[in-house]
Parts: sequence; C-alpha cells; structure tokens
Amino acid sequence: DGGITQSPKYLFRKEGQNVTLSCEQNLNHDAMYWYRQDPGQGLRLIYYSQIVNDFQKGDIAEGYSVSREKKESFPLTVTSAQKNPTAFYLCASSPHWLRDGSSYEQYFGPGTRLTVT
Amino acid sequence: LAKTTQPISMDSYEGQEVNITCSHNNIATNDYITWYQQFPSQGPRFIIQGYKTKVTNEVASLFIPADRKSSTLSLPRVSLSDTAVYYCLVVPIISGSARQLTFGSGTQLTVLP
Repeated sequence: DGGITQSPKYLFRKEGQNVTLSCEQNLNHDAMYWYRQDPGQGLRLIYYSQIVNDFQKGDIAEGYSVSREKKESFPLTVTSAQKNPTAFYLCASSPHWLRDGSSYEQYFGPGTRLTVT
Repeated sequence: LAKTTQPISMDSYEGQEVNITCSHNNIATNDYITWYQQFPSQGPRFIIQGYKTKVTNEVASLFIPADRKSSTLSLPRVSLSDTAVYYCLVVPIISGSARQLTFGSGTQLTVLP
C-alpha cells in the first residue's frame, strides 16, 4: 500500500530534550511538509521541502529543524528551543511543488501527538 | 496572503445537503482553492480543488463565483460519518511560496440523526 507513515503515534518527552519525529512516504512524491496543530486550531506550516536535499522554513520554524537526505524521508526534530512543543504534528506530501495545472492535493500521514512535560 | 474565514460550526440532519462557505478576499489571480476533511486525531483528507465556476467529483461540489473572493463546498445528502472539521486552503501558485500554506480554523460540521 502506498502512503505516508509517521511514527510513533504518541510520544512523551521531558522538557529540555530534543526529539525527532519520523515521516516516510512511498508515493514517489517530490514535495513534503510538516504542520503543527494545536487543540481546536487549524494547521500551521513548520517546514517544507520542494525536492530532495532542499527545505525551507514555514510560518513557525523557530525551535524546529529538518533534513531531506532521501526523497522518501523528511524527519522533524523538535529542539529544546521550542517554547511550546506539545502539539499534534502532521506530515504531508504532494506529487510536485506548486506547479500550475497540476493537482494540489496534499496526502497526510496519521500524525504524531507529542507531549512534553 | 489569502487569509481564509469560515463559520466555526454548522449542524445538519442526515440526508440533507450542506453548504459550507469560505471567504478569501485577498486571493491572487493564479491561486487555486482546495478543501479538506479532518476527523479527530487524524490527518486531513483532500476533498476537491477548483479555480473558478463549478467543480464536481464523486463526494462533493465546489462553487466559485466570478470574483473568486469566496467558495462554497457542497456535500449532498450527508450522513453521520460526514461529521468532521472542513478546511478551505488557498494554494499560492505564482509566488510558489508554501509559507502561505496555512489552514484556517475550519468548520466543525455535526450531522444529527
């Protein structure tokens, strides 16, 4: 089955620790995204990658880092510098970057709920 | 930046048609409009996209007026399983900046028996 996997589903960490969230896709998509969702809120973009070995900051990149060394993988590290890391984190991918005339559908993973105490 | 505004919540009964409107007054000429559905503790699921006039697929229709400052997602004959949060998202094309890919707060649709 093709799709996006995120692991783990639930993650607990102590304040001051860095933590890495996994995101893998076997859809052969060029673009990948990380979003954060707080209770009752919409999704806010953390980082995005148009293609392998490239990534750009989204609206709320402070306290986060990413890498895109392989097309299928886009891990997100939540660092101790992130002031309010407890949230639901969603990874997504799309076939191409924002190219006119194509489908703009983003395919989302099941999410990782991170709790930092 | 095409900020979107939607009603916070809507109620409907099974079998009725539901129309959810999204306002995007600052939409740019080449931007596209997309809609997503999200169930609790899951990732959003793409429903439909459009540029102008009307688009229909097997689950929904999307109506976009000529000025494109709003769009309406139409769900025919809803069922209890359509209870979810619905988001509209304006996709920037010419600028190509995904920094503008921010979902609004969405509309919580509750379908009652």
